[in-house]
Amino acid sequence: RKEVEQDPGPFNVPEGATVAFNCTYSNSASQSFFWYRQDCRKEPKLLMSVYSSGNEDGRFTAQLNRASQYISLLIRDSKLSDSATYLCVVRTGGGNKLTFGTGTQLKVEL
Amino acid sequence: GAVVSQHPSWVICKSGTSVKIECRSLDFQATTMFWYRQFPKQSLMLMATSNEGSKATYEQGVEKDKFLINHASLTLSTLTVTSAHPEDSSFYICSARDLTGGVQYEQYFGPGTRLTVT
Repeated sequence: RKEVEQDPGPFNVPEGATVAFNCTYSNSASQSFFWYRQDCRKEPKLLMSVYSSGNEDGRFTAQLNRASQYISLLIRDSKLSDSATYLCVVRTGGGNKLTFGTGTQLKVEL
Repeated sequence: GAVVSQHPSWVICKSGTSVKIECRSLDFQATTMFWYRQFPKQSLMLMATSNEGSKATYEQGVEKDKFLINHASLTLSTLTVTSAHPEDSSFYICSARDLTGGVQYEQYFGPGTRLTVT
């Protein structure tokens, strides 16, 4: 079983739609959680950290369920510029190592 | 946010040659840098953790004699792919931690280097 699992998609949605991505992680000792965005042939960029209480940044909302070892990302009012691959990332312990999911591809269409 | 640069952006080399990739933190000092590899449609896989002034720590399955890492200063780490083969063709990305400010433990990624071995 992969340490971090995501549905690869692609998810094709019309502009203005609301879309949600899910991610599960296998290591219950994981402590820090993030969503990164990666555009084609580019480096990943931090979108937001994910906190137990849930957090929101503009059109983006992240949720963490530690009991189910499940992380979600909700994007409201999708824009064409949201088209990218969204990576679920987990840090286990206090160390440096980040474990990346394979990413979920989102395509926002007119 | 902090800036990390990588050079070259892309490189095409012949099988058997060696290629050096540079990773620089431009506006902060990075005691720790990380090297990742990403194959098409796959996730980023950590290859090694590079610590300034000491030997790199390699992940299981990564050959340290093939992927030479040098972290000689607080702003520069290099990855040399020795005797490259077509199966080494990949997207190599470095990242660095900035402990002087920003989000603790946040890693800033370089733009990546696309290596093609023919």
